[in-house]
Amino acid sequence: DGGITQSPKYLFRKEGQNVTLSCEQNLNHDAMYWYRQDPGQGLRLIYYSQIVNDFQKGDIAEGYSVSREKKESFPLTVTSAQKNPTAFYLCASTGGGGSYGYTFGSGTRLTVV
Amino acid sequence: QKEVEQDPGPLSVPEGAIVSLNCTYSNSAFQYFMWYRQYSRKGPELLMYTYSSGNKEDGRFTAQVDKSSKYISLFIRDSQPSDSATYLCAPVGGGSNYKLTFGKGTLLTVNP
Repeated sequence: DGGITQSPKYLFRKEGQNVTLSCEQNLNHDAMYWYRQDPGQGLRLIYYSQIVNDFQKGDIAEGYSVSREKKESFPLTVTSAQKNPTAFYLCASTGGGGSYGYTFGSGTRLTVV
Repeated sequence: QKEVEQDPGPLSVPEGAIVSLNCTYSNSAFQYFMWYRQYSRKGPELLMYTYSSGNKEDGRFTAQVDKSSKYISLFIRDSQPSDSATYLCAPVGGGSNYKLTFGKGTLLTVNP
C-alpha cells in the first residue's frame, strides 16, 4: 500500500544534541512538508519542498534543517539551536494541485530529556 | 487577521447529536476547502473537500462553503463516539499552489 512512513514514532533528545526525523513516501508525490504540532497551536509549517534538491522555509524554520536528495525522502534535522523542540512532528506529501490535499504520516513525538 | 480562524473548542455532544464545526478565512484566492480528521496521537486524514462555494455530502458528513462570507462549515449528522477527534479545516489556492493553510482544529467528543 502507498503511504508515508515516519520514523521513529517516539524520539528522545538530550540538551545540545541534533536529531534527525525520517520521512519516506512511496506515493510518487512531488511535494513534501514538515509540520510541528503543539497543544492549542495547530499545525505550523517548518519546511517544504516542491521538487528534488529544492526546499523553502515555512513559518517556523529556525533551529531546523532539511534535505531533499531523493523524491521519496525528506528528512528533518532538529538542531541544538531549536530551544523548545518537544512537540509532535508530522510529515505530509501531495502529488497535485490544490484539489489533491495532503497525505500525512503517523507522526514522530520528540521529547527533550 | 489570521488566514484561517477556527474555534478550538473543546466541543462535547451526546451520541446522535448534529455537530456543526466552522472556520472563517481571509484569503479570497482560496478555491479548495479541505476538512481533516485527526485522532489522538495520529496523523490527520483527509475527510472531504469542496471546490468553491456550495455543499458536498458524504454519508453523515456535509461540507459547506460560502465564499461571499468566507465561511466554511462541516456538519456531522447522527454523531457517533468514533467521531471523537480533532477536526481541522484547510483551505488552499487552486492551480499549482500546493501549500495548505490549517485552522487550529476543533476537538470534538461524542459521548455514548
